[in-house]
Amino acid sequence: EAGVTQSPTHLIKTRGQQATLRCSPISGHTSVYWYQQALGLGLQFLLWYDEGEERNRGNFPPRFSGRQFPNYSSELNVNALELEDSALYLCASSPATDYGYTFGSGTRLTVV
Amino acid sequence: AQSVTQLDSHVSVSEGTPVLLRCNYSSSYSPSLFWYVQHPNKGLQLLLKYTSAATLVKGINGFEAEFKKSETSFHLTKPSAHMSDAAEYFCVVTATYGQNFVFGPGTRLSVLP
Repeated sequence: EAGVTQSPTHLIKTRGQQATLRCSPISGHTSVYWYQQALGLGLQFLLWYDEGEERNRGNFPPRFSGRQFPNYSSELNVNALELEDSALYLCASSPATDYGYTFGSGTRLTVV
Repeated sequence: AQSVTQLDSHVSVSEGTPVLLRCNYSSSYSPSLFWYVQHPNKGLQLLLKYTSAATLVKGINGFEAEFKKSETSFHLTKPSAHMSDAAEYFCVVTATYGQNFVFGPGTRLSVLP
């Protein structure tokens, strides 16, 4: 069984640009979660998508947005990039009725 | 609201000796608790989870944790450390399904030969 896959593994962007990160959940998992792991700040919840809808949102500005597609894959967009957006962005998926979060390996975003 | 405290930012043990990583939580509701491990430059792997069943939870790679409601603790243990256990360990709490996981700050485990 394929795990949660994230692409790209590394992304370098210039301040002010936009970044798009992608996540494919485990087959059969309908929920996708996004987390930011910034140095010194730990893991912070960003977004939760389920059945194509945004269900919950963490304490992040609106320039962090995303969507979930009919095949349950998801995209995280970060607009107007700032230096402090540099972090590892982790995606997790879970089935509809279970806490079984499975994480991907992450996308390392570097803003220069 | 939920919160997690991991009492040690760094734990160092010798190979073959027991491991104890401490976690205390705060939750307004009956919590679900998890331990995840993150090896360098890798994603997070679920070690074990407690979701109101047996209070002693066995996980992968010989790890286990005990839920103690009276102490609001969920400490992670392993009888004998292996070099491959060196990693960052996160204790996680959530109150209800779908609510965001609240991660502790992590404990870095070093295993000395």
